[in-house]
Amino acid sequence: QVQLQESGPGLVKPSETLSLTCTVSGGSISSYSWSWIRQPAGKGLEWVGRILNTGPTHYNPSLKSRVTISVDTSKSQLSLKLSSVTAADTALYYCARARDYAFGPWGQGILVTVSS
Amino acid sequence: DIAMTQSPDSLAVSLGERATINCKSSQSVFDSSNNKNYLAWYQQKPGQPPKLLIYWASTRESGVPDRFSGSGSGTDFTLTISSLQAEDVAVYYCQQYYSPPLYTFGQGTKLEIK
Repeated sequence: QVQLQESGPGLVKPSETLSLTCTVSGGSISSYSWSWIRQPAGKGLEWVGRILNTGPTHYNPSLKSRVTISVDTSKSQLSLKLSSVTAADTALYYCARARDYAFGPWGQGILVTVSS
Repeated sequence: DIAMTQSPDSLAVSLGERATINCKSSQSVFDSSNNKNYLAWYQQKPGQPPKLLIYWASTRESGVPDRFSGSGSGTDFTLTISSLQAEDVAVYYCQQYYSPPLYTFGQGTKLEIK
């Protein structure tokens, strides 16, 4: 059974780059597509982007110019980089397997706060 | 972009009673080429990540109790819990995947025990 675990800094300064990693276990990372989804405290879910098992990436247009998603198959890790962050990027960030029809399973999430 | 709107925002139901949550999309998420509605439902309990309950609008994910069911087509969908259990207290989200690569979620419905 595929399991995911997010990791990275919990605090990022404004204008800097947020960098997160998602470690995948229990399955081959190259066999599936993956997404990042975020959730501001007490609010709903926002899809950030995805990387297909065939390689292409797609991003939420509202974040597109700032987001990069990649996979390191040797480490079985998915990564997210979000540049020029502001307080509006403060959120719980989840990685999830992106099936053709939905997202699942999800990691436990990692809280990232943008503050000086 | 396809906007998803859920109703109600919150709901209180007695144990053993039926709970119904609605989701409306701003445009149809039905694909006539394969006869499928690109609509999923998730359950998020406090302090936990969302959990996939239903996909293709009405297909239960493996391991999900059969008291959970999904229905609807086109732009109007419903998640029904036939007999509410205490462990069903959560926020429920609908999500469309008709228009990748932009997937959108509803705002969530908070379900509590009356």
